[in-house]
Amino acid sequence: GQNIDQPTEMTATEGAIVQINCTYQTSGFNGLFWYQQHAGEAPTFLSYNVLDGLEEKGRFSSFLSRSKGYSYLLLKELQMKDSASYLCAVPGYKLSFGAGTTVTVRA
Amino acid sequence: EAQVTQNPRYLITVTGKKLTVTCSQNMNHEYMSWYRQDPGLGLRQIYYSMNVEVTDKGDVPEGYKVSRKEKRNFPLILESPSPNQTSLYFCASRQTGADEKLFFGSGTQLSVL
Repeated sequence: GQNIDQPTEMTATEGAIVQINCTYQTSGFNGLFWYQQHAGEAPTFLSYNVLDGLEEKGRFSSFLSRSKGYSYLLLKELQMKDSASYLCAVPGYKLSFGAGTTVTVRA
Repeated sequence: EAQVTQNPRYLITVTGKKLTVTCSQNMNHEYMSWYRQDPGLGLRQIYYSMNVEVTDKGDVPEGYKVSRKEKRNFPLILESPSPNQTSLYFCASRQTGADEKLFFGSGTQLSVL
């Protein structure tokens, strides 16, 4: 499968900003997914970047550089409910996921 | 409601006792897939199916079987479960196209004693 790297854990305070980086080997498919997974639940789709640059969706933004095999997910104005794992994934017939970054939001 | 339905939610079994985890989707998706999730390893693909009667191995297919006789169903079969198959399993589906998002079932926590 793909070699996808993302940090294991991050901790931040409510109201703060956190940036989750993801690096991957470029493949024949462009783009990169981000999914959110709360403990004990299924992953849910957050974003898909197919072009280079930053895409904003409310408090969450995602950035992609295809040539560098690099993406990040930016979580702004953190809320307690944002405590979850965040998975980056490289598209393909064998969709490959990173191991996930567990974000803990403290009061 | 559009959804992927997976059953059972929890399953405890013993080594060697055949079991099937069912997965059904009502979105007319052609692509379906099974993943297992283990701490520190993330989601790893077991098998996927591009359409009816078309299945292919993912990254960790050993010890598993699948079938795709109908578009909506994609069961995961463990012929002779072993303790190293204790894991959290997810079924997922999507439209055709590698850039389409996945819809996941609620998961099956399997323990093999």
